[in-house]
Amino acid sequence: DQQVKQNSPSLSVQEGRISILNCDYTNSMFDYFLWYKKYPAEGPTFLISISSIKDKNEDGRFTVFLNKSAKHLSLHIVPSQPGDSAVYFCAGGTQGGSEKLVFGKGTKLTVNP
Amino acid sequence: DTEVTQTPKHLVMGMTNKKSLKCEQHMGHRAMYWYKQKAKKPPELMFVYSYEKLSINESVPSRFSPECPNSSLLNLHLHALQPEDSALYLCASSPRQGDRYGYTFGSGTRLTVV
Repeated sequence: DQQVKQNSPSLSVQEGRISILNCDYTNSMFDYFLWYKKYPAEGPTFLISISSIKDKNEDGRFTVFLNKSAKHLSLHIVPSQPGDSAVYFCAGGTQGGSEKLVFGKGTKLTVNP
Repeated sequence: DTEVTQTPKHLVMGMTNKKSLKCEQHMGHRAMYWYKQKAKKPPELMFVYSYEKLSINESVPSRFSPECPNSSLLNLHLHALQPEDSALYLCASSPRQGDRYGYTFGSGTRLTVV
């Protein structure tokens, strides 16, 4: 059972435009969600998080939106830059006891100059 | 120091070999993790150590044996692996287990079992 789903394996956008990466989840027990960015031959890098009690969190060019009723979250990157080209992983986590992250399969973002 | 360092970066081993993967962090994090990632798949949790004690073992085969000798080091001992164990092995750490502000990952060890 895939608790975190990223249904788009890839996304291509023009530099300067908005990139929207989507993530759906099935586990309503998640307390928070994280987005990670991964370049080839490197480990994932933490990007931004959102608590399950919030609906939006913004950090510079990156904004994450959470729709709990739809069990959906999205990462917006505005404006997109070529250096943003990477694989983006969405992950859900729970607090208290045996916390662990559950990752989606990732979406490969390509930002074209 | 804000990094998680993993060695070696690449490892090729035979099915009868014994090898170890190493992970080190000096951020004072008290939770450390081993993840396995196959191509085009998400990272999958293998083990979690919290305050140097094994907290989670995700039913990993015994041919993988983790060790946390101190709060800065995490090892993964490998013995009698199978070709399907070839993958990227990622180490991560966080201030505490399940820290909502995210984990710091290492660059990984690319393991090939022949």
